[in-house]
Amino acid sequence: QQQVKQSPQSLIVQKGGIPIINCAYENTAFDYFPWYQQFPGKGPALLIAIRPDVSEKKEGRFTISFNKSAKQFSLHIMDSQPGDSATYFCAARGSNDYKLSFGAGTTVTVRA
Amino acid sequence: DVKVTQSSRYLVKRTGEKVFLECVQDMDHENMFWYRQDPGLGLRLIYFSYDVKMKEKGDIPEGYSVSREKKERFSLILESASTNQTSMYLCASRRTGDQPQHFGDGTRLSIL
Repeated sequence: QQQVKQSPQSLIVQKGGIPIINCAYENTAFDYFPWYQQFPGKGPALLIAIRPDVSEKKEGRFTISFNKSAKQFSLHIMDSQPGDSATYFCAARGSNDYKLSFGAGTTVTVRA
Repeated sequence: DVKVTQSSRYLVKRTGEKVFLECVQDMDHENMFWYRQDPGLGLRLIYFSYDVKMKEKGDIPEGYSVSREKKERFSLILESASTNQTSMYLCASRRTGDQPQHFGDGTRLSIL
């Protein structure tokens, strides 16, 4: 049973649009929430991460929103570009854990 | 820059064979991980190692074993390969503490 539920499975947007990926968790011990980006033929790479003490974090065109009471967090890609086309994974980990629990992944396609 | 190298990009083996997947990292990381990636299931942890000769089962260890004799090298072993082990296998490493995981580019394994 996946501890982190991710949706949608895939989405297509036009260049300049804002794809939004949502994740939900149940384990209240989770306190670190990273997002990974994976291009075809490559391993996942850390994109951005957030902790529950903040509600939003921005890095360039990527923004994480975090709702602790709802146990949900989401990734927004502002002004999306074709080069953002990739698979995105959310994940979560507790402070005393070695391992990450990953969502199922979302394939984002940005059309030119 | 962190480099996690997986010995093969593609591998084809036969049912019942013993299969070795090798992973080497060059950043003196204490923790190393083996995942399998399947469409719609995300990344699932098979085994991880928090130090040399130390290992712990992940979420799906059945049919697999691991070896970590040196800090930089973490091997995944399929004792008797079966067709349901056809998958993409990803290795990752990280420094102990609040540090991100760094992934290799994966080995696509086909069991015929």
